[in-house]
Amino acid sequence: NAGVTQTPKFQVLKTGQSMTLQCAQDMNHNSMYWYRQDPGMGLRLIYYSASEGTTDKGEVPNGYNVSRLNKREFSLRLESAAPSQTSVYFCASSLQRQWGMNTEAFFGQGTRLTVV
Amino acid sequence: GESVGLHLPTLSVQEGDNSIINCAYSNSASDYFIWYKQESGKGPQFIIDIRSNMDKRQGQRVTVLLNKTVKHLSLQIAATQPGDSAVYFCAENSEAGSARQLTFGSGTQLTVLP
Repeated sequence: NAGVTQTPKFQVLKTGQSMTLQCAQDMNHNSMYWYRQDPGMGLRLIYYSASEGTTDKGEVPNGYNVSRLNKREFSLRLESAAPSQTSVYFCASSLQRQWGMNTEAFFGQGTRLTVV
Repeated sequence: GESVGLHLPTLSVQEGDNSIINCAYSNSASDYFIWYKQESGKGPQFIIDIRSNMDKRQGQRVTVLLNKTVKHLSLQIAATQPGDSAVYFCAENSEAGSARQLTFGSGTQLTVLP
């Protein structure tokens, strides 16, 4: 059982380049999330998908787009990368739309992105 | 806007001692809280959670206390071990849009001294 798998683990981009971060979960979870983590800070929500076919903006959506390809996969796209998007990106999934006991989010290992 | 914050950015404890990590939250509508542990180079890992209708919840070597009056959350780790060294985040759960979201604090770096 792999849990939440993110690819790639590391990436360096030049300003203006585009790329897609991939995320897949094998836990049959309904909801999926993309967070970014900057040094010395907590995780900030970029976008989330409550269920297959729906996506919503989080706290910091500017400069990003997402696609919930199917129940398993949720991708994050940077159309024109900027140095301010240098960060570690985490994908997460949870079983239910409504949080309750023991319905915590499970996180991937992260993608370390540097934009030069 | 609403935010979750931590009182101390770093905490050092002797191996075998108990650790207490504190967290303040400001969203009075939050009704669910989670503590996560993040080791270097890894994603956050669930430790324990608590609903707002509870004051205390215990797990294996960990206890979470919730004081809704002062909007304060704490994580207690008993008999701290070297493997407990990590960054600890509290997160509050709020309803937004079509799904609930987690809002994270900035984290506390726990270092266990030999």
